Order: sequence, then structure tokens, then C-alpha cells
Amino acid sequence: GGIITQTPKFLIGQEGQKLTLKCQQNFNHDTMYWYRQDSGKGLRLIYYSITENDLQKGDLSEGYDASREKKSSFSLTVTSAQKNEMAVFLCASSIGTGGAEQFFGPGTRLTVL
Amino acid sequence: GDSVTQTEGQVALSEEDFLTIHCNYSASGYPALFWYVQYPGEGPQFLFRASRDKEKGSSRGFEATYNKETTSFHLQKASVQESDSAVYYCALGDRGYAQGLTFGLGTRVSVFP
Repeated sequence: GGIITQTPKFLIGQEGQKLTLKCQQNFNHDTMYWYRQDSGKGLRLIYYSITENDLQKGDLSEGYDASREKKSSFSLTVTSAQKNEMAVFLCASSIGTGGAEQFFGPGTRLTVL
Repeated sequence: GDSVTQTEGQVALSEEDFLTIHCNYSASGYPALFWYVQYPGEGPQFLFRASRDKEKGSSRGFEATYNKETTSFHLQKASVQESDSAVYYCALGDRGYAQGLTFGLGTRVSVFP
């Protein structure tokens, strides 16, 4: 088995601040994902990466940057935090095809003051 | 674009009741279909998937059958327990490519003793 670790668990920032969320996986999976979960809106894809140094934009990528410097890690940066971005950010990984199950981390809850 | 519709936003049941959550999808091609379950404070957990018309997926007493004609993948469980209280998500993914999943808005299930 494996595990996905997300840090920090809770992140509090000021409006306009640049904030970084980190994700590590030890499944040795090729593909990693960042989703945003808003209350009542399900999960929406921000970025994904099919291999080290690859980045693909999802439907919600505006206002975010991502980085995949190692196979095991995937970071997400909120470039300028806004109050309406308060949500839970979920990292996931999978073996690499769209039909494969994705394994999720426990999430980072972002609060913007 | 692809979409997933879950009819029920919330469901309240008593233990041993029969559970049905309706899921319909809209997608080009032939997607893989998934059910995930999320408990408070955790990321979504994979329940099961189906990839072909009439294929049944199942796990932990839950089941759903892929129906291409009605574009549906309804979740059912014959006898729910209090421990089944959670949020359930239907999702679809492209079988061939490593992309993010498209999720429904989720259904909150509350089971009372």
C-alpha cells in the first residue's frame, strides 16, 4: 500500500498573498492531480501532471501555478489569494490512465482573511 | 464538455433501509464510471468502477451497473448501516488518457439508528 501526504493540513493567509500547498505520494504513481473542493460544488480539477516536469491545466487553473520537480511530489501555488478561494484542496495520484482509480490525500483547508 | 449529475443532494435513512443514489452522465465516447465515498476530514476513497456497458461494479455491499443506453450508473445498497453515513460522489474519466475525473456534486447520506 501507499499513502498521500498533504502539508499543511490548515493554511491561513491574507488576501493577495502567495501561498504554496505540498503533496507527496509513495505509490510510485506517474500521474498526480490537484482538485479544489468547495461546499456544494463537488471536486474540480486545477492541474494535473502525467510525469516529472509535466504540467497540464484543468478547468480551474486560473490563479494557480503548479510544480512537479520529482515523481513523488506535486506542489500547488495560489498566486494571489482571494477571499472566495476558501476551500479544501485535494491532491491525488494514479497509475496513469483515465480508467484507473485515483488515490486521494486528506486535503489542505485554505482560509483567506 | 463532460458532466455528471447526481439527483439527490441529501438522503436520510434508517438502518437496514435500501439506498439508491441516481447518477447520470454526459460524455463523448465511452467513459469509465466511478463511485467514491468521503468521510469527514478525509479525502474521497475509491469504491468501485465500471468500464463497459452492462458491467457491474461492487464493493462493501454497494453496487452499480453501467448503462450506456440511459447514460446512468446508479448506486445501490440493500441494507445500510450507520457507518455508511458519508458523502458519495459519482465520477467519470476518459479510459484512454490520464486526465482528471469529472465529479458530480455529491450526495450526503445520513443513516440513523
